[in-house]
Amino acid sequence: GAVVSQHPSRVICKSGTSVKIECRSLDFQATTMFWYRQFPKQSLMLMATSNEGSKATYEQGVEKDKFLINHASLTLSTLTVTSAHPEDSSFYICSANMPGQGRGYTFGSGTRLTVV
Amino acid sequence: GENVEQHPSTLSVQEGDSAVIKCTYSDSASNYFPWYKQELGKGPQLIIDIRSNVGEKKDQRIAVTLNKTAKHFSLHITETQPEDSAVYFCAAIVTGGGNKLTFGTGTQLKVEL
Repeated sequence: GAVVSQHPSRVICKSGTSVKIECRSLDFQATTMFWYRQFPKQSLMLMATSNEGSKATYEQGVEKDKFLINHASLTLSTLTVTSAHPEDSSFYICSANMPGQGRGYTFGSGTRLTVV
Repeated sequence: GENVEQHPSTLSVQEGDSAVIKCTYSDSASNYFPWYKQELGKGPQLIIDIRSNVGEKKDQRIAVTLNKTAKHFSLHITETQPEDSAVYFCAAIVTGGGNKLTFGTGTQLKVEL
């Protein structure tokens, strides 16, 4: 149990275009999902908390208009990187907490975004 | 807010030896401490966790210890194998209320043949 599926695993896009990343909880309902960004050889940096049916909560310094988060159902959250630039190239990872199971936070497999 | 420090940043051991990674946290209210293994190009995978009402937990070759008084917890891997080579992250959180995991800086473990 507690499987989080993330797609795509890697994507290359041109500067100025937008990219959507999907995060799905496959066998549980997640009212809250988290989006992280990870640079090479660094720890995970929380970008935002995605709340089902309401607006996401963004961490300080994260541009909400650039990183659009939609959590329209209890099993799906999406992160859209708008008007992507090379500096947005990074590894993006989502996470969800399976409530009541004591197994903590489960992570997706990550998305390697390269903006050229 | 919570601050988690992790040491060492890199660790190289011979196959069959033990590996120990240590973390300290600052918020005495933190009550849940997971450990994650991250292989190159993949998301972190939960390998073991411990709650604040327990001092030690073991799962086959992996164990975690928690010292609430000193606010530190450690990951112990015995009989290391090459497939244990990865980056390991500790984390801490006060569960409930929409709180967020705070991660350590990671340890690159290399198990050499």
